[in-house]
Amino acid sequence: NAGVTQTPKFQVLKTGQSMTLQCAQDMNHEYMSWYRQDPGMGLRLIHYSVGAGITDQGEVPNGYNVSRSTTEDFPLRLLSAAPSQTSVYFCASIPRLAGVSYNEQFFGPGTRLTVL
Amino acid sequence: GQQVMQIPQYQHVQEGEDFTTYCNSSTTLSNIQWYKQRPGGHPVFLIQLVKSGEVKKQKRLTFQFGEAKKNSSLHITATQTTDVGTYFCAGPIQGAQKLVFGQGTRLTINP
Repeated sequence: NAGVTQTPKFQVLKTGQSMTLQCAQDMNHEYMSWYRQDPGMGLRLIHYSVGAGITDQGEVPNGYNVSRSTTEDFPLRLLSAAPSQTSVYFCASIPRLAGVSYNEQFFGPGTRLTVL
Repeated sequence: GQQVMQIPQYQHVQEGEDFTTYCNSSTTLSNIQWYKQRPGGHPVFLIQLVKSGEVKKQKRLTFQFGEAKKNSSLHITATQTTDVGTYFCAGPIQGAQKLVFGQGTRLTINP
């Protein structure tokens, strides 16, 4: 298994451009999520999905869209990039999220995004 | 806003000294997880605690979950240079499916 993969690893955008960060997992995990990591802020949840066709907002959803058409893929779209979206983006997946079930999150390697 | 608070934000120790990071939630957690992120890397799962008052050990690392399931701690005995990194706690918000992370504690070690 490749685990959780993310592309691209690095990206530079100009203000106003749009792009999609790709995330895929081959472990048949139900739950997938996107985080952004900024210095001193830890990991903040952007959007998450508990299964194909189901998505919901996290702590900082503004400026981002997601969809989950398949179990494997969970792309994150930046509609109109802003300098405040400069960050490192991590995708993660969990087998399932229910009560005290085993909830280890598997993280992808991250995408480092700079918006000029 | 952030509902899982972690302190301290930074900790610098001499190699061989002990290290502790604390995690506090504003709500009761059904479970709590701990992750380690090496510089330039991605978070890696260390452990999950589920039961009130639970204590788990992994070699030099000791994890505790508070009796009220609102706080947790990670203690490293006799730190080594391989312990360098940022340690995060994370937990599901009560009644929701959102997993929230603490801000993390960045550990640096003077060899």
